[in-house]
Amino acid sequence: KQEVTQIPAALSVPEGENLVLNCSFTDSAIYNLQWFRQDPGKGLTSLLLIQSSQREQTSGRLNASLDKSSGRSTLYIAASQPGDSATYLCAVSFGNEKLTFGTGTRLTIIP
Amino acid sequence: SAVISQKPSRDICQRGTSLTIQCQVDSQVTMMFWYRQQPGQSLTLIATANQGSEATYESGFVIDKFPISRPNLTFSTLTVSNMSPEDSSIYLCSVEGTSGGKETQYFGPGTRLLVL
Repeated sequence: KQEVTQIPAALSVPEGENLVLNCSFTDSAIYNLQWFRQDPGKGLTSLLLIQSSQREQTSGRLNASLDKSSGRSTLYIAASQPGDSATYLCAVSFGNEKLTFGTGTRLTIIP
Repeated sequence: SAVISQKPSRDICQRGTSLTIQCQVDSQVTMMFWYRQQPGQSLTLIATANQGSEATYESGFVIDKFPISRPNLTFSTLTVSNMSPEDSSIYLCSVEGTSGGKETQYFGPGTRLLVL
């Protein structure tokens, strides 16, 4: 069974710190991996998408890495801000156009 | 990009009743997806809806419980039938699109359902 796991379930860090969110998946034969942000009442917003042939993607203060051999991805957030507080979801496409989501990490940035 | 709206945004329903959730997209799309997010859980795909054909349901989901309509390329509905408290979830509509030359998925704001 293809599974996606995110640890920890919740994380609180002081404003300004750099942080890393983790995602692991059980099947290395992935098509792509996406990181989403979920805000209450606003649905999901795609942050970064990494194709299976890529090792990382960057957008502003966000950097996502992909290591297929170990079944891991990380989302690095630099210089965290209170506006970064949200739930971050990792989702993997195992090549069948369907996304398998992790349970998410609820991030709180403390001002 | 795609902008998706859902109605209602939230509802409280009685056990045994049904609720129809609407999803409207601002552009024509081939496939629309319906997800469920139970409290504290991840998103789970319910079904994929193509215009002009029956929806394709994932394991554990059946058409009698979650009938879907897809009358055109910008609209879909999901009905949660004969509801029980276990159906209390956020229901999200999603479509595929392209952003910056890359494929991604766009999500609606979700419908938060509480069944008493």
